[in-house]
Amino acid sequence: NAGVMQNPRHLVRRRGQEARLRCSPMKGHSHVYWYRQLPEEGLKFMVYLQKENIIDESGMPKERFSAEFPKEGPSILRIQQVVRGDSAAYFCASSPLRSEDGYTFGSGTRLTVV
Amino acid sequence: QQPVQSPQAVILREGEDAVINCSSSKALYSVHWYRQKHGEAPVFLMILLKGGEQKGHEKISASFNEKKQQSSLYLTASQLSYSGTYFCGTGPLRLIFGKGTKLSVKP
Repeated sequence: NAGVMQNPRHLVRRRGQEARLRCSPMKGHSHVYWYRQLPEEGLKFMVYLQKENIIDESGMPKERFSAEFPKEGPSILRIQQVVRGDSAAYFCASSPLRSEDGYTFGSGTRLTVV
Repeated sequence: QQPVQSPQAVILREGEDAVINCSSSKALYSVHWYRQKHGEAPVFLMILLKGGEQKGHEKISASFNEKKQQSSLYLTASQLSYSGTYFCGTGPLRLIFGKGTKLSVKP
């Protein structure tokens, strides 16, 4: 049973470009969560999605960031017009029904903006 | 609101014990514990639910004091493999994580 799959593992973008981060949850998991982590810091919540629905986006910056989890295919975190401050590790996690069942994290995408 | 973890860092010798604390300013429904090694994804350790139910790891134990809005993670007879950063997370629905406790176990 494959775990949570994130790709790419590493992504380099120039300032002003777009970054697309993908996350395929574990089989049977219908809840997806995105977190951002800066070096030597904690996991900062960004957004919580179920299929075709955004449940909680209280941690998402108001501009340039968006997320979706379509009926078919992976969840996508999209960052438009990236800036140096967007450089971080972005982790996706999934859970079967609710967070009380525990998260399984993907290996993360390390975004570097040059 | 973000839970508060203490201590921020701890250094142990193999075989020593450690306690990591997590407290919240709001009522807790559940507390989750994860461990992250450098450059890797966080890994699930344990969930403690209101009412006393626990789900998790055989070699690690934890307590959940609903009245004090606190949880503690107990690592006994530590091994080198216990090194990493430990995060507690609180719900409901989506987890908000503390800033982490960095644990280093030395031979």
